[in-house]
Amino acid sequence: DAGVIQSPRHEVTEMGQEVTLRCKPISGHNSLFWYRQTMMRGLELLIYFNNNVPIDDSGMPEDRFSAKMPNASFSTLKIQPSEPRDSAVYFCASSLEGGGTHEQFFGPGTRLTVL
Amino acid sequence: GEDVEQSLFLSVREGDSSVINCTYTDSSSTYLYWYKQEPGAGLQLLTYIFSNMDMKQDQRLTVLLNKKDKHLSLRIADTQTGDSAIYFCAETVYAGGTSYGKLTFGQGTILTVHP
Repeated sequence: DAGVIQSPRHEVTEMGQEVTLRCKPISGHNSLFWYRQTMMRGLELLIYFNNNVPIDDSGMPEDRFSAKMPNASFSTLKIQPSEPRDSAVYFCASSLEGGGTHEQFFGPGTRLTVL
Repeated sequence: GEDVEQSLFLSVREGDSSVINCTYTDSSSTYLYWYKQEPGAGLQLLTYIFSNMDMKQDQRLTVLLNKKDKHLSLRIADTQTGDSAIYFCAETVYAGGTSYGKLTFGQGTILTVHP
């Protein structure tokens, strides 16, 4: 299994531009999580989906952030317009829910720099 | 509510034991986890313990759980330079027949192992 796949691995953009981060969860997993990691705030859960449905988006910072999961094998996190304070590493994770240990498998992350 | 606290830094000499501590607030936690993050990578599950256990041992890793004090620790025996990483404590809650799968992470402990 290839694990959780994220793209791009690095993104540098200018303030005001739209940024789209992509995630392919592990095949067969039914939950997907988007996290943001910064030195100041640590690891923050932004949103998570179960069976492609958003369950909890209380961590999404503001309306500039949106996430979609059109099918079980793909999710996007979009920031529009981007701001320098959005610079962080964004992780996607997936898990198989339903009687297990809730282990989450993390992707390698996307390092976003907004100039 | 859910809150997980960890000390931020730990420095040990190669060959010594490392003990990383964590406190949590949610008494209904079902699983508690230790994740490891190496530089430039996502988090990887090291080990977990179910809340009805006091101790779990896995090779060089020993997890101790004190439910009365809501205290979790991870002991790494014979610490090696390759163990240098950030270690995250996390908890999940199984609430009333619903397996949420949502994890609450601590801020991470940076473990530095000196030769």
